[in-house]
Amino acid sequence: QVQLVESGGGVVQPGRSLTLSCTASGFTFNNYGMHWVRQAPGKGLEWVAVIWYDGSNKYYGDSVKGRFTISRDNSKNTLYLQMNSLRAEDTAVYFCARDKRETTGYRSWFDPWGQGTLVTVSS
Amino acid sequence: AVRITQSPSSLSASAGDRVTITCRASQDIGTYLAWYQQKPGKAPKLLIYSASTLESGVPSRFSGSGSGTDFTLTITYLQSEDFATFFCQHYYNYPITFGGGTKVEIK
Repeated sequence: QVQLVESGGGVVQPGRSLTLSCTASGFTFNNYGMHWVRQAPGKGLEWVAVIWYDGSNKYYGDSVKGRFTISRDNSKNTLYLQMNSLRAEDTAVYFCARDKRETTGYRSWFDPWGQGTLVTVSS
Repeated sequence: AVRITQSPSSLSASAGDRVTITCRASQDIGTYLAWYQQKPGKAPKLLIYSASTLESGVPSRFSGSGSGTDFTLTITYLQSEDFATFFCQHYYNYPITFGGGTKVEIK
């Protein structure tokens, strides 16, 4: 079945870096755009970043632009989020999500989502 | 960026009730809107896309309507398993944004 599994979360000090991974299975990974979405404790959903199915385009939310980098390795069916200069306000559960439409990264809703990985930024 | 205003932020309802949640976009987004359901500790689940298309496997008591700037999610005959938080999301352009969420609680 189609599945996304995030990993790499944990506790990190402010100013430090962390890399999240999202491993995909059950579908042709390199046919789909992929996203990161985060949810601070008790709060709503915030879109973080997208990477096109072929890696040709990337877009970021304003709150992470210049600090976070989205990437993918289609040979490993894996999506990444490199997070630098972490701040307390980056504390959240980070979900990866797949575009529903194939071979785009534009104007598609999300399905499925992974179960999320918690990142806590604290000294 | 397109701003999405979702209301109400919470509501109390009983099983069997009809529930309506609305989202308003700050600009015309056509029908590039999706609805998700999220239960505590779980990932969001897709309910509706293109404003009114029911995702496969989602019960028909869920329905969506609207276009342009005003959108509605309706749950007819609320079931016990429907108590959750619901989010709308536009995907018209980047950055994608979500509504603030509506928590549907048991009265």
